[in-house]
Order: sequence, then structure tokens, then C-alpha cells
Amino acid sequence: DGGITQSPKYLFRKEGQNVTLSCEQNLNHDAMYWYRQDPGQGLRLIYYSQIVNDFQKGDIAEGYSVSREKKESFPLTVTSAQKNPTAFYLCASSNPQRGETQYFGPGTRLLVL
Amino acid sequence: GQQLNQSPQSMFIQEGEDVSMNCTSSSIFNTWLWYKQDPGEGPVLLIALYKAGELTSNGRLTAQFGITRKDSFLNISASIPSDVGIYFCAGLGHYGGATNKLIFGTGTLLAVQP
Repeated sequence: DGGITQSPKYLFRKEGQNVTLSCEQNLNHDAMYWYRQDPGQGLRLIYYSQIVNDFQKGDIAEGYSVSREKKESFPLTVTSAQKNPTAFYLCASSNPQRGETQYFGPGTRLLVL
Repeated sequence: GQQLNQSPQSMFIQEGEDVSMNCTSSSIFNTWLWYKQDPGEGPVLLIALYKAGELTSNGRLTAQFGITRKDSFLNISASIPSDVGIYFCAGLGHYGGATNKLIFGTGTLLAVQP
């Protein structure tokens, strides 16, 4: 089956710790995105990547880092500099040549201990 | 960051009723998308609209791309309990440069009473 997978489903972070969220897609999409969702709010863009080895900051990139070494993978690291990391994190991908429609993974909920 | 104005924020209806929600923006979009999100899951694409004035259906769902390119609505007919969830609109707009990015609405929470 083609799709986007995110792992883990739930992640716990201790104060001062960096954690990495995984996102993998087998849709052969060029572009990948990370969003953050807080209760009662819409999706806010953290980082996006249009092509391998290239990525740009979104609206709320501070305290986060990404890499895009492979087309299929776009991991997000939540660093200790992110002071309010508790949220639902969503990864998405799209094929810009086919209209930019984004498809989402199932999400990772990050909780701070 | 930009967000679209989506209304209503929430709706509580009886099973069988029709539902309507809409999104408006001060900016022009070339694409409108409607997603549904179940609790604890990622959004799932319902309908994509690519041309101004376009009216598209997907089962009991109908969505339209406004003529002005600044709005879109989603209708759900004969609602059923599994329609419960949060519905998001999204418009393809410009973000900080030449590359187009999706801008999301704030969501409409739909609750359906059996």
C-alpha cells in the first residue's frame, strides 16, 4: 500500500532532551512538510522540503530541525530550545507537478514529562 | 502565519440533517482543498477544487470554489454519526516567496446526534 507513515504514535520527552519524529512516504512525492497542531487550532507549518537535500523554514521553525537526505524520509527533531513542545505533529507530502494536494500521515503526539 | 477564516467553529446537529460550512480569505487562491480529521488521526482529503466556480461532489459531500477565488464552501447532506470530526479547508497561496504553500482554516468541529 502507498502512503505516509509516522512513528512513534506517542512520544514522551524529558526536559532538556532532543527527540526525533520519523516520517516516511512511498508515494514518490518530491515535497514533504511538517505541521504542528495544538488543541482547537489549525495546522501551523514548521518546515518543508521541495526536494532532497533542501528545506525551508515555515511559520514556527524555532526550536525544530529537519533533514532530507532521502526522498522518502523527512525526520523532524524537536530540540531542547523548543519551550512548548507538547502538541500533535503531522507530516505530509505532495507532488507539486500534480497540483500541490497534500496527503497526511497519522500523526505523532508529543508529551513532555 | 496566515490562516483562513472558517465558519462555523462548531456545529451540533441531528442525524439526517444537512450541514454547510465555509472558508473566506482576503487573498486569492488557485486551489481549495477540504479535509476531515478524526480524533488522534491525520487529516484525510475529501475534495480538491482547482478552478473558480467549480462544483465537485464526493458521495454526500459537495464543495464549491468561489467565483472570486477568495472563498469555498462544503456541504454534507443527510449527515450520519460517522461524519463526526473536524473539517478543515485549505487554500494554495504564496508563502514568503515564490513557492506556493497550503494555508489552513481554523477548522469546524462537527458533532452528530444519532
